Amino acid sequence: EAQVTQNPRYLITVTGKKLTVTCSQNMNHEYMSWYRQDPGLGLRQIYYSMNVEVTDKGDVPEGYKVSRKEKRNFPLILESPSPNQTSLYFCASSPRRTTYEQYFGPGTRLTVT
Amino acid sequence: AQSVTQLGSHVSVSEGALVLLRCNYSSSVPPYLFWYVQYPNQGLQLLLKYTSAATLVKGINDFEAEFKKSETSFHLTKPSAHMSDAAEYFCAVSDPRDDKIIFGKGTRLHILP
Repeated sequence: EAQVTQNPRYLITVTGKKLTVTCSQNMNHEYMSWYRQDPGLGLRQIYYSMNVEVTDKGDVPEGYKVSRKEKRNFPLILESPSPNQTSLYFCASSPRRTTYEQYFGPGTRLTVT
Repeated sequence: AQSVTQLGSHVSVSEGALVLLRCNYSSSVPPYLFWYVQYPNQGLQLLLKYTSAATLVKGINDFEAEFKKSETSFHLTKPSAHMSDAAEYFCAVSDPRDDKIIFGKGTRLHILP
């Protein structure tokens, strides 16, 4: 089944403890992206990647890192999480650029205390 | 710079009534436009998209949207609402020259019995 998977789905952590949220897609898509969803703010793009070893900042990249060493994986790294990063995170992939439909993962709900 | 505005964070309609969700965009070039739906505790999924072909776009579940350049609008409609349409809907705009996509803040659709 074609899908985007994220792990973990739920995570509660403490300020400053490094964490990684994994994202994997099995559709051989070139384009992958991370978003955060906050009430009243909609979805905001954190980082995106056009292909392996090619990443770029979205609208809210501060406090996040990403890497794209393999086409299928696009992990999101929070080196030192803070409470303002408490949010619902979505990974998405697309065959090529954003002009194509994006396929979203199920989301990761992160709480930083 | 692109932007997208969704009028109304919450919209309520009666079952069987017309659904109208409003989306206005700003873009310096002909944009690509999307409507996504998010059901509770799920990721987003594509309803329909406009990519400079026909101005009236039909999507899944009898939803459709019309691209009106003169009004910079891409409103979503459905002739008859079902209880299963209760969800949050996001309009998004993409500039075909780059790889960013901007989402609106979302409209939560409530269906009244």
